[in-house]
Amino acid sequence: AQTVTQSQPEMSVQEAETVTLSCTYDTSESNYYLFWYKQPPSRQMILVIRQEAYKQQNATENRFSVNFQKAAKSFSLKISDSQLGDTAMYFCAFMKETASKLTFGTGTRLQVTL
Amino acid sequence: DAGVIQSPRHEVTEMGQEVTLRCKPISGHNSLFWYRQTMMRGLELLIYFNNNVPIDDSGMPEDRFSAKMPNASFSTLKIQPSEPRDSAVYFCASTSKWPYEQYFGPGTRLTVT
Repeated sequence: AQTVTQSQPEMSVQEAETVTLSCTYDTSESNYYLFWYKQPPSRQMILVIRQEAYKQQNATENRFSVNFQKAAKSFSLKISDSQLGDTAMYFCAFMKETASKLTFGTGTRLQVTL
Repeated sequence: DAGVIQSPRHEVTEMGQEVTLRCKPISGHNSLFWYRQTMMRGLELLIYFNNNVPIDDSGMPEDRFSAKMPNASFSTLKIQPSEPRDSAVYFCASTSKWPYEQYFGPGTRLTVT
């Protein structure tokens, strides 16, 4: 079974600064997908970014980027120029094959302060 | 597109009552997932469907839970009888073929007293 570990329960960052959220996973699969989801206080789950394991290039979406280290089974999320609206729970998720279930980490609560 | 639609948004019921949660996936998506979120267990998959067929129901807690997908645009999750430990937020999500991104509905907050 796959496991996803987020070792930082809470983090804080000042507005306009950069923050990195950590995620590690365990799998014997060679092809899989990794995701970061954001859950603000509204509780809506919002997809932030996706990474395919077969791609060496790290995914980027505007201020969000990932550092994917396949050998180390690490998938961190970097948020640049943090904004107050980035305050939320962030979940790392693993999907082992196409259109199958997501396995989530326990989440990191990010607080962006003035 | 309206996104994934779930109803009701909030449900409060008494122990022993039947509860039915509803989900309408994004049009054209062929996979549908039911997740449950609690403080103790986090986000966990209950069941998922591909092309209206249940593929993995290993996360369904017990026989009190059942899910159906009679057509491509509608699914239900039923709890009968409900218990206080079923209190949680229940999410429905759907995805299409490539790029296999799951889009979540707003969730149903269920409280069983």
